[in-house]
Amino acid sequence: TQLLEQSPQFLSIQEGENLTVYCNSSSVFSSLQWYRQEPGEGPVLLVTVVTGGEVKKLKRLTFQFGDARKDSSLHITAAQPGDTGLYLCAVPLNNNDMRFGAGTRLTVKP
Amino acid sequence: KAGVTQTPRYLIKTRGQQVTLSCSPISGHRSVSWYQQTPGQGLQFLFEYFSETQRNKGNFPGRFSGRQFSNSRSEMNVSTLELGDSALYLCASSLAAGDTDTQYFGPGTRLTVL
Repeated sequence: TQLLEQSPQFLSIQEGENLTVYCNSSSVFSSLQWYRQEPGEGPVLLVTVVTGGEVKKLKRLTFQFGDARKDSSLHITAAQPGDTGLYLCAVPLNNNDMRFGAGTRLTVKP
Repeated sequence: KAGVTQTPRYLIKTRGQQVTLSCSPISGHRSVSWYQQTPGQGLQFLFEYFSETQRNKGNFPGRFSGRQFSNSRSEMNVSTLELGDSALYLCASSLAAGDTDTQYFGPGTRLTVL
């Protein structure tokens, strides 16, 4: 089983819709990161959440870290085609060994 | 400021050959980490180098190796290539070892093994 379970695996929506993707685990983490990866590029760090219950906003993106620091969600308001990409959550384990979830592949249609 | 650069961007090899990939970190970054990304396994950590020393290694066979030079540039080598080594190989640089908050990824090298 994966350390981080991301859902849904695929998501296709129309421009203007809202969406939420999830990153779940049975383990507790000191921090969790979200990345977006576009085709032909490497992942780009969006946010790091550290405190249980923490909410961070990045324009139309809202990130929340679960109270128990085992899970996280990413909510996008009024999605745009430019939001299309692979959304990955990741946690740092010992000695900079980053573990990634399998990702949610989001497609936003104009 | 230039980002992380990786060369070559695309590479085709045959089984049994070896390959060397190169990564130039962002200026001032001293840590370089390597990852393998495949559709089946996702992104997996290979190893991290800091100050020319390997600090940590993921769960990959000894055919995967790397090194870092005094200017922080890094290379990874895969010997005796197998079909399953076909993947996108990503490197990421950061200011210091273990500093994932300043980790920036390069565009990757797409390796195809025939």
